[in-house]
Amino acid sequence: AQKITQTQPGMFVQEKEAVTLDCTYDTSDPSYGLFWYKQPSSGEMIFLIYQGSYDQQNATEGRYSLNFQKARKSANLVISASQLGDSAMYFCAMSSGGSYIPTFGRGTSLIVHP
Amino acid sequence: SQTIHQWPATLVQPVGSPLSLECTVEGTSNPNLYWYRQAAGRGLQLLFYSVGIGQISSEVPQNLSASRPQDRQFILSSKKLLLSDSGFYLCAGSQWPLGREQYFGPGTRLTVT
Repeated sequence: AQKITQTQPGMFVQEKEAVTLDCTYDTSDPSYGLFWYKQPSSGEMIFLIYQGSYDQQNATEGRYSLNFQKARKSANLVISASQLGDSAMYFCAMSSGGSYIPTFGRGTSLIVHP
Repeated sequence: SQTIHQWPATLVQPVGSPLSLECTVEGTSNPNLYWYRQAAGRGLQLLFYSVGIGQISSEVPQNLSASRPQDRQFILSSKKLLLSDSGFYLCAGSQWPLGREQYFGPGTRLTVT
């Protein structure tokens, strides 16, 4: 079975500062993918970044980077230079092996202050 | 790239009325399709998924059903809505085991009164 844990229900950050959103995972499958999604108040789920279990380097997409620590089973999202528009819910998710069913965490609410 | 279309964006229905939410996919073929429900301020609950036409797997026993009459069409239905069916319904697709992330539609906010 696969499991995603997001322990931060809410986070606050000052505009232009960096913020790290925590995500730990558990799976017995050596092949898996990790994802982060952003859900603004409009409700749409926006894909941010992907990390494969065999990827040697941490994934980066613009201001988003994924701090992948395989031995610790963590996949933290780092947002650099926060903007007011980054205020949203953020979900960590994973898919492993040949499963068609992803597992989502409970989400972290991020509020960016001006 | 793949695009998920969902309608309507919002819906208010009385208890006991039927429901039909439609999801269509553009830009790909043979996708895996999913219906999720999200209560206010909560995470995603997987309701149904489908790996092909006519193939539906239910994750949670409930008042809802799903059908996939065409490759790129996924329908969520209910014969009689309950108050507990209120929520935000999201349709998603994936190309697993190939491809990477799931891609989501804009969602439907359903309020049962």
